[in-house]
Amino acid sequence: EVQLVQSGAEVKKPGESLRISCKGSGYSFTSYWISWVRQMPGKGLEWMGRIDPSDSYTNYSPSFQGHVTISADKSISTAYLQWSSLKASDTAMYYCARHNDDAFDIWGQGTMVTVSS
Amino acid sequence: QSALTQPASVSGSPGQSITISCTGTSSDVGGYNYVSWYQQHPGKAPKLMIYDVSNRPSGVSNRFSGSKSGNTASLTISGLQAEDEADYYCSSYTSSSPWVFGGGTKLTVL
Repeated sequence: EVQLVQSGAEVKKPGESLRISCKGSGYSFTSYWISWVRQMPGKGLEWMGRIDPSDSYTNYSPSFQGHVTISADKSISTAYLQWSSLKASDTAMYYCARHNDDAFDIWGQGTMVTVSS
Repeated sequence: QSALTQPASVSGSPGQSITISCTGTSSDVGGYNYVSWYQQHPGKAPKLMIYDVSNRPSGVSNRFSGSKSGNTASLTISGLQAEDEADYYCSSYTSSSPWVFGGGTKLTVL
């Protein structure tokens, strides 16, 4: 079965760092880009950026460039989304999704990140 | 990059057809045939329903169809069923971001 499995929910304080993960299985991980998508509470989907796991080349949305870092370790079929200094406004559900041609065909189950003092 | 414009809500009765619009610009929806649609039930991850404007992935009901005219793409659901009640999002490749989502549309089945 083709799937993306994300790491569990996180509760952090403002200023802390965080890395969440997305592990692919059931397909060739290096053959498809992985994107990260944010969904703030009660709001819509926002594309954050993507990575080519074969060479770790990345694209970021201008809205998220410089605020997060996307990386991947192809040896363990895992992509990452990380923050160096969280803010309360980073509280959201974060999804990873696989690109198949020009759409996001497989989605992870989501990782809820709560940032609160 | 601004989100694509979708109506906040649409509704229909079981058996009816509804259409959700997704309006962008010549830099996204109008410039590329890379529009996709996603269904999201509460508390669940989004699910791909339509890709490349009008193609359905395997397993998606043929009650779902997509089209595009100029800078506006549309998702039509025919024979509305209770299980179709969900949020729907469009997405498009853009010349800048390079991907953008619509603001989302809540579909209510009356």
